[in-house]
Amino acid sequence: GENVEQHPSTLSVQEGDSAVIKCTYSDSASNYFPWYKQELGKRPQLIIDIRSNVGEKKDQRIAVTLNKTAKHFSLHITETQPEDSAVYFCAATNDYKLSFGAGTTVTVRA
Amino acid sequence: NAGVTQTPKFQVLKTGQSMTLQCAQDMNHEYMSWYRQDPGMGLRLIHYSVGAGITDQGEVPNGYNVSRSTTEDFPLRLLSAAPSQTSVYFCAAGPSQETQYFGPGTRLLVL
Repeated sequence: GENVEQHPSTLSVQEGDSAVIKCTYSDSASNYFPWYKQELGKRPQLIIDIRSNVGEKKDQRIAVTLNKTAKHFSLHITETQPEDSAVYFCAATNDYKLSFGAGTTVTVRA
Repeated sequence: NAGVTQTPKFQVLKTGQSMTLQCAQDMNHEYMSWYRQDPGMGLRLIHYSVGAGITDQGEVPNGYNVSRSTTEDFPLRLLSAAPSQTSVYFCAAGPSQETQYFGPGTRLLVL
């Protein structure tokens, strides 16, 4: 099955700085890579995704990049704000299943 | 339109007890799934269903049963609860595994 590894496990950034989270996956057949944000005590919510035929996607302050050859993808958050503090999960999917990374706890310092 | 609902929100069980976690959706989505969330381990897929009458195992299915008799409901059964099943359980529904909307979660404590 698919194995998704996520780094770092915790990330502390100054407000206004950028945050980068990296993930690798094992199954070359995986073709869809979503990112979820989970605030404390809340449910995970999809924030951005990317498909295997695209190298980069942006949505306001967040962007994802995908390198299929190296089997890794990354989440970039620019101009971080206090409301960006949360746990972020990457995931990869194929064969009807979604496999998640272990999560990154992002703390934005004021 | 409630989306995905889960009951109960919190449950305490004793080892060996059985119970059913309920999940319902009002979006008419074909795909439904159950995950457990443990500290430092992300979300792990327990079981999933691609439509009524069809279920399959995920990454960590042992100790759990599911059924999908209707499009709306996807209950998760613990036949004999163990302390290792202490976790937060999320149900999700969507048109496919690619687009899933999560329920609010059920926090389970097994003593």
